[in-house]
Amino acid sequence: GDSVTQMEGPVTLSEEAFLTINCTYTATGYPSLFWYVQYPGEGLQLLLKATKADDKGSNKGFEATYRKETTSFHLEKGSVQVSDSAVYFCALSDQTGNQFYFGTGTSLTVIP
Amino acid sequence: NAGVMQNPRHLVRRRGQEARLRCSPMKGHSHVYWYRQLPEEGLKFMVYLQKENIIDESGMPKERFSAEFPKEGPSILRIQQVVRGDSAAYFCASSPPSGPPGKAFFGQGTRLTVV
Repeated sequence: GDSVTQMEGPVTLSEEAFLTINCTYTATGYPSLFWYVQYPGEGLQLLLKATKADDKGSNKGFEATYRKETTSFHLEKGSVQVSDSAVYFCALSDQTGNQFYFGTGTSLTVIP
Repeated sequence: NAGVMQNPRHLVRRRGQEARLRCSPMKGHSHVYWYRQLPEEGLKFMVYLQKENIIDESGMPKERFSAEFPKEGPSILRIQQVVRGDSAAYFCASSPPSGPPGKAFFGQGTRLTVV
């Protein structure tokens, strides 16, 4: 079945460091891929998405490219800030768009 | 426009009691999804509902769990005779009648603790 594998955390970085959170997926057909973010005490928010191969999703300085050949959707940011501290979830939705499959989440802490 | 509202935020139940989790979708949203976040396991899909209909309940445990989304009022996730293993965070999401996948807005979750 469809699934998402996400790098384990926690990740601790200094401010302005480069961030990569790896995400790979297994899916039949042509899924859409997402990154969600959960700030402390809040619900999940959609951070970015890509709906077809080679699409790049971007938002708030974060980017991820839908790589079908490597079945990956790694999240990157060139220079993290303390306010980026949160838990990040990689997810995919099946072709119907009715079901989502989430990774286990990666906790990021950015220290000044 | 208020976001997705879940209540209570925290719920403590003794083993064998019933737990009721409520989710009020965003205004204009008629699709509701429930997810369970277990420690170390990430989010797991449970059920997808539209008004008065269960569309996909493939993620719901076969026993003790039920969900509804009535014509009026919030969506309810009901867990009967709770056990310790039901302790988790339960998230609700809503989306409008049409739109691209991923355009779901999540509530803040209900943390259920079974003692």
